Amino acid sequence: GAVVSQHPSWVICKSGTSVKIECRSLDFQATTMFWYRQFPKQSLMLMATSNEGSKATYEQGVEKDKFLINHASLTLSTLTVTSAHPEDSSFYICNCPIRTEAFFGQGTRLTVV
Amino acid sequence: DQQVKQNSPSLSVQEGRISILNCDYTNSMFDYFLWYKKYPAEGPTFLISISSIKDKNEDGRFTVFLNKSAKHLSLHIVPSQPGDSAVYFCAANSGPSGAGGTSYGKLTFGQGTILTVHP
Repeated sequence: GAVVSQHPSWVICKSGTSVKIECRSLDFQATTMFWYRQFPKQSLMLMATSNEGSKATYEQGVEKDKFLINHASLTLSTLTVTSAHPEDSSFYICNCPIRTEAFFGQGTRLTVV
Repeated sequence: DQQVKQNSPSLSVQEGRISILNCDYTNSMFDYFLWYKKYPAEGPTFLISISSIKDKNEDGRFTVFLNKSAKHLSLHIVPSQPGDSAVYFCAANSGPSGAGGTSYGKLTFGQGTILTVHP
């Protein structure tokens, strides 16, 4: 299947700092990528849709100024968690749709202390 | 509003037997359904999908059944193997032809079911 690479796989940061998460499609071009997060014992929840060359669209309740998304090329989307707080600690994951499937990155475990 | 529900948080099965994972949905606009397998701290891995124009799709040991009138789908794994132990998520999508022209990547997930297959 298609390969989607997400980096870093885990990160610990201090409260108030910013963290950037990268999602790369390695063997295909992705004009659209999706960002999800998963809190413990909960389902994967869609945060936003990343569109190459245009602004991201955010789901209701997701702060666009806090979760900055940049999709500057057809193979890379980045999610920056700005001024992170402990409540932002979660598992963040991207996916890239191809035809009738969607391939996920490995996910990033963010812990804010 | 939980549009996709997996009411069984866990399932335990003996190796070699059948595992049946269930999923219900409420949004009638969903027309494409997927099952994913997930290990802790890893991304979900696609298993199998089904379009709403079908009622069954089979791939090796995995079969997905869709009952549109009941808004219910199920994943059958037979024979179950210890390596199948993981969290299984069902997901739904309205597809690119659905309302809003959403992509296949924009998925609504169930809560997941932890499958444990005992040797």
